[in-house]
Formats: sequence, structure tokens, C-alpha cells
Amino acid sequence: RKEVEQDPGPFNVPEGATVAFNCTYSNSASQSFFWYRQDCRKEPKLLMSVYSSGNEDGRFTAQLNRASQYISLLIRDSKLSDSATYLCVVNKGTSYDKVIFGPGTSLSVIP
Amino acid sequence: DVKVTQSSRYLVKRTGEKVFLECVQDMDHENMFWYRQDPGLGLRLIYFSYDVKMKEKGDIPEGYSVSREKKERFSLILESASTNQTSMYLCASRLTGKIEQFFGPGTRLTVL
Repeated sequence: RKEVEQDPGPFNVPEGATVAFNCTYSNSASQSFFWYRQDCRKEPKLLMSVYSSGNEDGRFTAQLNRASQYISLLIRDSKLSDSATYLCVVNKGTSYDKVIFGPGTSLSVIP
Repeated sequence: DVKVTQSSRYLVKRTGEKVFLECVQDMDHENMFWYRQDPGLGLRLIYFSYDVKMKEKGDIPEGYSVSREKKERFSLILESASTNQTSMYLCASRLTGKIEQFFGPGTRLTVL
């Protein structure tokens, strides 16, 4: 089993739709969780951290389920500019310095 | 703004050549990383460095070495390039104790 798994998609959704991505991780000792966004032919950039109680940043909501070892990202009212690959990132065990990137989920928001 | 630059956007080399990929950051970050990104596999850590002259192997160090002689510069070396090292190479830096890694634009290396 891979350390971090994501549904690669692509997810093709109309503007204004709500879309959710899941990510599962295998190491129960992992403590830190993040979502990065990578635009086509660009470098990854931090989108948001994921906190135990769940957190929201505008149209984006991130949630953590430790029992089932998955994190999720919900995007409401999708915009064309949300089209990108979303990378799930999990720290490696108890090490804060090493992180594992998931393979990414591709999202295309269609007019 | 943090800026991480990489020496080349595209590079084509032949099998057996020695290849140098350079990365420079301008924000005085202690930590620097080299990843490769391949379709379906995501980013995989090759090497990282906590500080000048310090280096640690990542998950896939075989066939690579690194050099960190100055704080702002982290070099990735392919001693003898092979076709399976054709990939997108991404450099990143981070301030110690902070979460966010800042990435360079990447170098797409093709080994023929």
C-alpha cells in the first residue's frame, strides 16, 4: 500500500459545483497534514494546512479523520481558476521535517 | 516574496553524462530539498539538507548526490545520467520550524 493515496481523477465539474477530494494515508503516527495546489506546468504551492478540528478558508474546507486515516478537501462554488492538481501531503511518521506527497487529484472546472 | 530559482527549465543530456542541477533561494532558509515528480507517483524526495554542508538521504537517493556549500545554494548531481532519471526535478526550501515549503519552477530533464 502506498503511504499516501489519492484518486487521480480527473474530476470535471461545472462552474459553481461543489467537489470533494479524499486522501488516505498509511502511517497512523502522522501528525501534520496539508493540501498543496499545482497549476499546469507550475510548481506546487501550499493551499492550506489541515487541523484536527477541521478548518475553512473561504470556499475551501479541509477535514481530518484520524480513525479512518483520511483527509478531505471540499471546494464550494467552483471557479474556473480552481482548475489544478491538488496534492495531499502528510508528514512521515513523527518526523516534522519529512513529508510525503500524494500523486495528486486533477480538477477541471468547466464553463 | 520567497524566491527559489533553478538553473534550467529544460535540459537534455545523454546517457552517462554528469549532470548538475542548481537551486538558489533568497530567503535565508536553512532547509532545502530536491524532489523528482513523475506521473502517478507524485513528488518523491531525493535528498534534503538541514543546513550548510549537511545532507540527508530521502526516499530515492540512488544515482544522485548533492552539495550544499552555501546556505542559499543546493545542487543535485547525477553522476552518470540514465534514461530512468528522465523526470521533472523540483527544488524547495523552508525555514526551520515552519510548515510551508517553497518550490522552484522545476527542471524538466530528458536523458537520451
